[in-house]
Amino acid sequence: KQEVTQIPAALSVPEGENLVLNCSFTDSAIYNLQWFRQDPGKGLTSLLLIQSSQREQTSGRLNASLDKSSGRSTLYIAASQPGDSATYLCAVLGGSYIPTFGRGTSLIVHP
Amino acid sequence: DAGVIQSPRHEVTEMGQEVTLRCKPISGHDYLFWYRQTMMRGLELLIYFNNNVPIDDSGMPEDRFSAKMPNASFSTLKIQPSEPRDSAVYFCASSLVGTGGIAGANVLTFGAGSRLTVL
Repeated sequence: KQEVTQIPAALSVPEGENLVLNCSFTDSAIYNLQWFRQDPGKGLTSLLLIQSSQREQTSGRLNASLDKSSGRSTLYIAASQPGDSATYLCAVLGGSYIPTFGRGTSLIVHP
Repeated sequence: DAGVIQSPRHEVTEMGQEVTLRCKPISGHDYLFWYRQTMMRGLELLIYFNNNVPIDDSGMPEDRFSAKMPNASFSTLKIQPSEPRDSAVYFCASSLVGTGGIAGANVLTFGAGSRLTVL
């Protein structure tokens, strides 16, 4: 059974810092890995999707990498801003087509 | 496309009442998922459908929960009778897995959620 772990569970940083959020998974037989953002009281918004054949994806200040062999993905946020404060979740799509989610990293960026 | 649409956005009900949550997936998507999110347990998969057929309902907590997908554009999650411990946010999500190796490119899209409070 696929298990997804996200570290750290919570992070508080001053504005302007570059951040790395980690996601690890136990079964490397995946189709893709997707990073989501969730604001308090809201739904999940897709940020980036990395297919199993890809190494990284970039969108603006966000960069996600995937190392399938070691079962790891990182989400890099450059020059963090208070508006980046949210919970970030990763989800792995495996052979059963069921997305498995981590518990998320709660990020606070203070001015 | 308007995305995944869920209703109601908020529901407050009393213990013992029946609750029905609704979901309209993105047109053309062949997978539909129902999730429940709480602070204690995070995001839990309750049930999912492929081409309107329920594939795995092992996440449904009890017989009080049931889900249907009568057609490709509509699904319901019903709780009868409801209990205070059912209070949570319920999300519907859909994706296009398809055939021919496109599974890796599919994006899972969530609705805004239905916040349920059972008193």
